[in-house]
Amino acid sequence: DVQLVETGGGLVQPGGSLRLSCTASGFAVNSDYMTWVRQAPGKGLAWVSIMAIGGTTFFSDSVKGRFTVSRDISKNTFFLQMNNLRTEDTAVYFCARGISSGHAAYDVWGLGTAVTVSS
Amino acid sequence: HSALTQPASVSGSPGQSITISCTGTRSDIGDYTYVSWYQQYPGKAPKLMIFDVTNRPSGVSDRFSGSKSGNTASLTISGLQAEDEADYYCSSHSRESTLLFGGGTKLTVL
Repeated sequence: DVQLVETGGGLVQPGGSLRLSCTASGFAVNSDYMTWVRQAPGKGLAWVSIMAIGGTTFFSDSVKGRFTVSRDISKNTFFLQMNNLRTEDTAVYFCARGISSGHAAYDVWGLGTAVTVSS
Repeated sequence: HSALTQPASVSGSPGQSITISCTGTRSDIGDYTYVSWYQQYPGKAPKLMIFDVTNRPSGVSDRFSGSKSGNTASLTISGLQAEDEADYYCSSHSRESTLLFGGGTKLTVL
């Protein structure tokens, strides 16, 4: 069964760091585009980052320079490292897999992990 | 970079058809056929309903269809059902910022 499970969310103070994990089953994280999307409380979806199959990464302007992504193929896990966190980073973070038959579309999503940035 | 523009809400009665618009620019919707639509219930993960403007993933009802004209994409839901009541988001590849989402549209089935 194809599945994604996010972990690592929690409460962190402004300026702090957190690393989110996205563990895949049923497919390899390096065989498809992978993305992180977040949703602030009561708000819409916002793209955070993409890792291409070859490892190239892209980031939204709001997180560029503060967030990085990586993957561990042996653990079949995709990571989001978040540094210098701000209150506006508070959101549920979803990871998702790019659909192989299309473009810029994501067909498998995790349930999300909540990040709260507050003092 | 601005999000794509969607109406905040739309509504329709069971059996009717509704259309949700998604307006971008020449840098995103206008220049690419990489528009997707997602359905999201409260507290749940998004579900891909349409990709590459008109394509439906396996398992998605053919009551859902997509189209594009110029800088505006549209999602049409025909034969509205109570279970269609949800939030809908469009997204598009963007030359400037890779991926853009719309602000979301709340669909109410009357």
